[in-house]
Amino acid sequence: DGGITQSPKYLFRKEGQNVTLSCEQNLNHDAMYWYRQDPGQGLRLIYYSQIVNDFQKGDIAEGYSVSREKKESFPLTVTSAQKNPTAFYLCASSALQETQYFGPGTRLLVL
Amino acid sequence: GIQVEQSPPDLILQEGANSTLRCNFSDSVNNLQWFHQNPWGQLINLFYIPSGTKQNGRLSATTVATERYSLLYISSSQTTDSGVYFCAVAAGGTSYGKLTFGQGTILTVHP
Repeated sequence: DGGITQSPKYLFRKEGQNVTLSCEQNLNHDAMYWYRQDPGQGLRLIYYSQIVNDFQKGDIAEGYSVSREKKESFPLTVTSAQKNPTAFYLCASSALQETQYFGPGTRLLVL
Repeated sequence: GIQVEQSPPDLILQEGANSTLRCNFSDSVNNLQWFHQNPWGQLINLFYIPSGTKQNGRLSATTVATERYSLLYISSSQTTDSGVYFCAVAAGGTSYGKLTFGQGTILTVHP
């Protein structure tokens, strides 16, 4: 089954803790993206990667980190420096210069 | 960066009615996509349409790039059309994948 998977579906973070959100795709897409969505808002780009071992900051990268060691995987770490991490996180992928397709999302809540 | 404005912010329809959603953007774009976000948060691609007109069943879209707007038409609406509709745009070149989202139009279709 082709597509984009994100895990976990729900994630709880304690104060001062780093957490990592998983994103995997088997669409053979070169580009992958992380977005954040706050309630009642549109999506905002956190980080994106167009090729393995390379990534660029989006509009709201502070407090987040990523890696792209494999073409199919683009994990996002929400660090303790991110003071307001509660949000819905969406991962997407695309062939270069083509339509983006989205995963089902991870809801992050702070305890 | 590019600014994206969607209207109306909310729309309530009876089943069977037609509607038009609008997306205005502030600069030239080479990438424009329409998405539907369902109640579970999943973003579903509707159209990739940086210019021209496309149709898919009861949905159609038109982008007039020179005047910097796009329209999404929904005909004979159904309750399953309810959700949030987003327009997202990006410039060309290395910014092609850096989508900027509008705030969305919340559509509610009553039976």
